[in-house]
Amino acid sequence: QVQLQQWGAGLLKPSETLSLTCAVYGGSFSDYYWSWIRQPPGKGLEWIGEINHSGSTNYNPSLKSRVTISVDTSKNQFSLKLSSVTAADTAVYYCARASIVVVPAAIKYYFDYWGQGTLVTVSS
Amino acid sequence: SSELTQDPAVSVALGQTVRITCQGDSLRSYYASWYQQKPGQAPVLVIYGKDNRPSGIPDRFSGSSSGNTASLTITGAQAEDEADYYCNSRDSSGNHKVVFGGGTKLTVL
Repeated sequence: QVQLQQWGAGLLKPSETLSLTCAVYGGSFSDYYWSWIRQPPGKGLEWIGEINHSGSTNYNPSLKSRVTISVDTSKNQFSLKLSSVTAADTAVYYCARASIVVVPAAIKYYFDYWGQGTLVTVSS
Repeated sequence: SSELTQDPAVSVALGQTVRITCQGDSLRSYYASWYQQKPGQAPVLVIYGKDNRPSGIPDRFSGSSSGNTASLTITGAQAEDEADYYCNSRDSSGNHKVVFGGGTKLTVL
């Protein structure tokens, strides 16, 4: 049974740095990409970025200048830092496991396990 | 383009069949995956790949694709299927960006 458990500060002031960590329990840590996804209140899902066990990262170009995702394979954890937050960064932040499977017709890419979500509010 | 386009809202009568669609260039290279999200909950994967359902997802959920369009079909919609549905894939332009559709609010009448 795979479980993702996330934690971090829920209330920030503008210009501060958002910091969240996600711990993975069960399953392999090295066979997947590990993502952060956010959802502003009442809006859709936005992918922030991902990391694999070796530390290779991909970021959403719209957030790349402010985002750092890191991994601690000794603890099966990965973390998100988002700098210089503003009210526009207020959202529920999710961690998720991404599977990538190449088959002849196309590529499967999907998030099969998600964390419980953390509401991060940015307010002065 | 790295965008995925979904209709904002769809309704279906209880017990009837509904199709939710997702369009985007990346779907010519990547299968769409589909997520159900109910208020206050994390998204749940319901369809991935050509037409794969994770364990525990009812078989009334199915997926299909043609060209740049993917579809999620619910055959015999139930009241508990009322939710937001999001499609997702990876951008196919080589920048490794992951994209979500804007979401479809499904109302079961």
